[in-house]
Amino acid sequence: NAGVTQTPKFQVLKTGQSMTLQCAQDMNHEYMSWYRQDPGMGLRLIHYSVGAGITDQGEVPNGYNVSRSTTEDFPLRLLSAAPSQTSVYFCASSYSTGASGGYTFGSGTRLTVV
Amino acid sequence: GESVGLHLPTLSVQEGDNSIINCAYSNSASDYFIWYKQESGKGPQFIIDIRSNMDKRQGQRVTVLLNKTVKHISLQIAATQPGDSAVYFCAEKTSGTYKYIFGTGTRLKVLA
Repeated sequence: NAGVTQTPKFQVLKTGQSMTLQCAQDMNHEYMSWYRQDPGMGLRLIHYSVGAGITDQGEVPNGYNVSRSTTEDFPLRLLSAAPSQTSVYFCASSYSTGASGGYTFGSGTRLTVV
Repeated sequence: GESVGLHLPTLSVQEGDNSIINCAYSNSASDYFIWYKQESGKGPQFIIDIRSNMDKRQGQRVTVLLNKTVKHISLQIAATQPGDSAVYFCAEKTSGTYKYIFGTGTRLKVLA
């Protein structure tokens, strides 16, 4: 099994550009989420989804959109990139929110906005 | 290299010694807790979890202790090895929600 696959691994954007970070999982997990990781701030939840067609906001949703048209895919869209969105982004999935084993994380996307 | 750990508290231990990493959680209504390990350039990896109806749970070389009175959770690693060097995060989930809240992390350095 591939687990959670994120693409791209690295990306540089200019301020104002838009892009989509891809996330796919092959474990038939219902729950998927996006986090950003910044120095000294741990992981902060951006958006999450409890199943296909259902999404909700996390702690830091501004500037990001998500959709969940299938169980497998959960893309994160940056609408108009800003330098404050420079970060490492992680996608994660789990069978259910309280399932033993917690999340399976992807390997991350390092985004730089210049 | 990975820049997310630049300002983290660091615990340095000798190889073979036991390590104890501590975490204070924020919400007394949290009912599920997880410890993750993150190596440089990789995503966090599950180590061990514990539910709020337990005080202690043991895995292979790792033990998690939960003290609900003071809202504190600790991770004990026995016979620490060089491969244990990483950043360790605790995460809590509040009952009735779908959200995990992560701590800021502790860097563990294993000295040869």
